[in-house]
Amino acid sequence: AQSVSQHNHHVILSEAASLELGCNYSYGGTVNLFWYVQYPGQHLQLLLKYFSGDPLVKGIKGFEAEFIKSKFSFNLRKPSVQWSDTAEYFCAVTSSTGYSSASKIIFGSGTRLSIRP
Amino acid sequence: DTGVSQNPRHKITKRGQNVTFRCDPISEHNRLYWYRQTLGQGPEFLTYFQNEAQLEKSRLLSDRFSAERPKGSFSTLEIQRTEQGDSAMYLCASSLGQPSNTDTQYFGPGTRLTVL
Repeated sequence: AQSVSQHNHHVILSEAASLELGCNYSYGGTVNLFWYVQYPGQHLQLLLKYFSGDPLVKGIKGFEAEFIKSKFSFNLRKPSVQWSDTAEYFCAVTSSTGYSSASKIIFGSGTRLSIRP
Repeated sequence: DTGVSQNPRHKITKRGQNVTFRCDPISEHNRLYWYRQTLGQGPEFLTYFQNEAQLEKSRLLSDRFSAERPKGSFSTLEIQRTEQGDSAMYLCASSLGQPSNTDTQYFGPGTRLTVL
């Protein structure tokens, strides 16, 4: 069965620090990978996604993620965080099964990011 | 706002009561999904619709849960005889229905259910 692991449950950083949140998935086939973010009091928003092509994907607000197939990883990075990045971050995966079937998202348990001003 | 909307945003009910939630997807999105999120966890898939057809249901969706999307637009999720374990955030998402290797789901704000 597919699964997603986010090993960091709570990360605390100071402003301007660099960020890397780990994400590993378990699935043998072709996958699509996502990072969603949930700011306090707001709904889940798509941060970035990987379907195919360049394994380094860039998202909104200066975030990027790198898909390393051999490591089954899709870590999220940002070179310099801001206080406004305080949020919960979810790594997620769907299987790429073709047109006829939709894909449910399998989410990790999330990483809470707290930024000290 | 043209995003996914959900009503109500909060629902408090007593154990044993029935509750119904509504989701309005983004216009022209033909796929609609329901997820459940409990504290400290990521959302878990419950079910999804392609237009009005319910095509997949998770084993999490017990027979007390039923979902409909009668006209292929809005959807309702009903929980009968609620239990305290049903307390959670119920999320709705929609997508255009492109091939699954490019389809992206967009989430609503959720309905927070508290069963006393």
